[in-house]
Amino acid sequence: AQTVTQSQPEMSVQEAETVTLSCTYDTSESDYYLFWYKQPPSRQMILVIRQEAYKQQNATENRFSVNFQKAAKSFSLKISDSQLGDAAMYFCAYRRRPGGGADGLTFGKGTHLIIQP
Amino acid sequence: DGGITQSPKYLFRKEGQNVTLSCEQNLNHDAMYWYRQDPGQGLRLIYYSQIVNDFQKGDIAEGYSVSREKKESFPLTVTSAQKNPTAFYLCASSIGLAANTGELFFGEGSRLTVL
Repeated sequence: AQTVTQSQPEMSVQEAETVTLSCTYDTSESDYYLFWYKQPPSRQMILVIRQEAYKQQNATENRFSVNFQKAAKSFSLKISDSQLGDAAMYFCAYRRRPGGGADGLTFGKGTHLIIQP
Repeated sequence: DGGITQSPKYLFRKEGQNVTLSCEQNLNHDAMYWYRQDPGQGLRLIYYSQIVNDFQKGDIAEGYSVSREKKESFPLTVTSAQKNPTAFYLCASSIGLAANTGELFFGEGSRLTVL
């Protein structure tokens, strides 16, 4: 079974600075997706960024970027120029490519990101 | 606007009662999911359905039941057999397997409290 581990229950960063959230995962599959979702106080889950395992290039979405290390099974999220609206729970998630077996996403336990003004 | 609607947002139930949480989507997605969220536990998969009239157990299906009679709807029943039902429940959907980008789209959730 796949597992996703987020080792930082809580992180704090000053507004406008950069912060990196860590995520490792365990799988025997070679083709899969990785995601970072954000859950603000409203509790709506919002997709931040997505990475396909077969792509070597790290995904980037505006101030959000990932460092995907496939051999190390590591998938960290970097948030640049942190803003107050970035304060939320961040979840790392894994999904095997379609093709059978269990479906859905496997989530880590989350990292609570605090932005200090 | 396309999206996923969950109702009710807040629900209180007495011990021993069954309760049904509604999930409706107008995204024309084939697959639908139910997750449970507890503090410090992340999200855990309860049930999922990839097509109408078919569904599969997830990691924590005991004490729950679902149905998928229509593509748009995937209600979750929390039965009296569920030992610790107080939690936040999230419904999600995704495009069918053939065109899947992997992403799940989520509703706003339902908070169930057992008194």
